[in-house]
Amino acid sequence: NAGVMQNPRHLVRRRGQEARLRCSPMKGHSHVYWYRQLPEEGLKFMVYLQKENIIDESGMPKERFSAEFPKEGPSILRIQQVVRGDSAAYFCASSPLETDTDTQYFGPGTRLTVL
Amino acid sequence: GDSVTQMEGPVTLSEEAFLTINCTYTATGYPSLFWYVQYPGEGLQLLLKATKADDKGSNKGFEATYRKETTSFHLEKGSVQVSDSAVYFCARNAGGTSYGKLTFGQGTILTVHP
Repeated sequence: NAGVMQNPRHLVRRRGQEARLRCSPMKGHSHVYWYRQLPEEGLKFMVYLQKENIIDESGMPKERFSAEFPKEGPSILRIQQVVRGDSAAYFCASSPLETDTDTQYFGPGTRLTVL
Repeated sequence: GDSVTQMEGPVTLSEEAFLTINCTYTATGYPSLFWYVQYPGEGLQLLLKATKADDKGSNKGFEATYRKETTSFHLEKGSVQVSDSAVYFCARNAGGTSYGKLTFGQGTILTVHP
């Protein structure tokens, strides 16, 4: 059973460009979470999604950031008009449908660098 | 709101030394508690967890006990190895709600020397 997959692993963007980060949850998992890790800091919750629904986006910046988890395909975290402060590692986690929402399994992360 | 506080690091030990990393959490709801480990350049891996008071989580020689009276979940290992060098994160979930949004501590960098 493949783990949580994220791509790209590294992404470089110039200020003002768009960044798209993808996350494929583990097979059978329909809960997806996105976290951001700024340099020298712990992870901060951004958004929680189920298929076609945003359940909690309380950690998401109000502007430029959006997330989706369509019926088919990976979850996407989209950052428009990136700024240097967006440089961070973005981690996706998934958990199973209804059986155990306690344990989240993390992907390897996407490291975004904004020049 | 929910929060988790870890002992400040970094922590540097010699191989075979005893390890303790302190972690305390806010006592809101009935959270599950977790320790995650992050090796350089990688994502987080679940190390152990405990879902209710007095539970002990253990894995790979690491242990942590859910202490409700002191709101603590300290990580311990009797004899560390060089391969244990990593960043360790304590975390709690929301507890008592329908989803598991995690709140993390700031992380503790552990370096083990031969």
